[in-house]
Amino acid sequence: KAGVTQTPRYLIKTRGQQVTLSCSPISGHRSVSWYQQTPGQGLQFLFEYFSETQRNKGNFPGRFSGRQFSNSRSEMNVSTLELGDSALYLCASSFGVWRPRDETQYFGPGTRLLVL
Amino acid sequence: AQSVAQPEDQVNVAEGNPLTVKCTYSVSGNPYLFWYVQYPNRGLQFLLKYITGDNLVKGSYGFEAEFNKSQTSFHLKKPSALVSDSALYFCAVRGNAGNNRKLIWGLGTSLAVNP
Repeated sequence: KAGVTQTPRYLIKTRGQQVTLSCSPISGHRSVSWYQQTPGQGLQFLFEYFSETQRNKGNFPGRFSGRQFSNSRSEMNVSTLELGDSALYLCASSFGVWRPRDETQYFGPGTRLLVL
Repeated sequence: AQSVAQPEDQVNVAEGNPLTVKCTYSVSGNPYLFWYVQYPNRGLQFLLKYITGDNLVKGSYGFEAEFNKSQTSFHLKKPSALVSDSALYFCAVRGNAGNNRKLIWGLGTSLAVNP
């Protein structure tokens, strides 16, 4: 079974631009979560989508948004990029139904975003 | 409020020696606990989890972790460390009470195994 895939793997943007990152979950998984990872802050939860609906949201400004499609693929968008948005953006998928045996998130390799 | 603490930023151990990476948590209800490992420039890989049952959980690559409810800890262990175990390790917790099912992550512990 294929793992979680993220595209692109690397991205360089300038301040003020916007960016869209994509995540394809493991087949059969309906939940996709997004995280921002930086050396100083660790993993910061952005949001979780389940069946095309945002189910949970972290404490990020409205410049960060996401969506999920009917095939469970997800995108996140960051508008008006700032230097501090430079980070590794990780996507994780799971069944999302909160049964104990399904309580595991599987991560993609991440998209490394550099904002100049 | 839910929280996870990994009290050591870095752990150094000699190859062949046992290793321990510490994690303590605070959560309402019974916890779901996880360990992940991250190699350089890679995503996180799932190692093991505790949901219920036996307090000693065995996972991938020879790792195990012990759930201690009284000490609210979930330390990761391995009897004999390998140089290839050098990586960043993350502990995470999710409560099972109420509607807040977000995973809460520790800041990570960098493990260095010296040959």
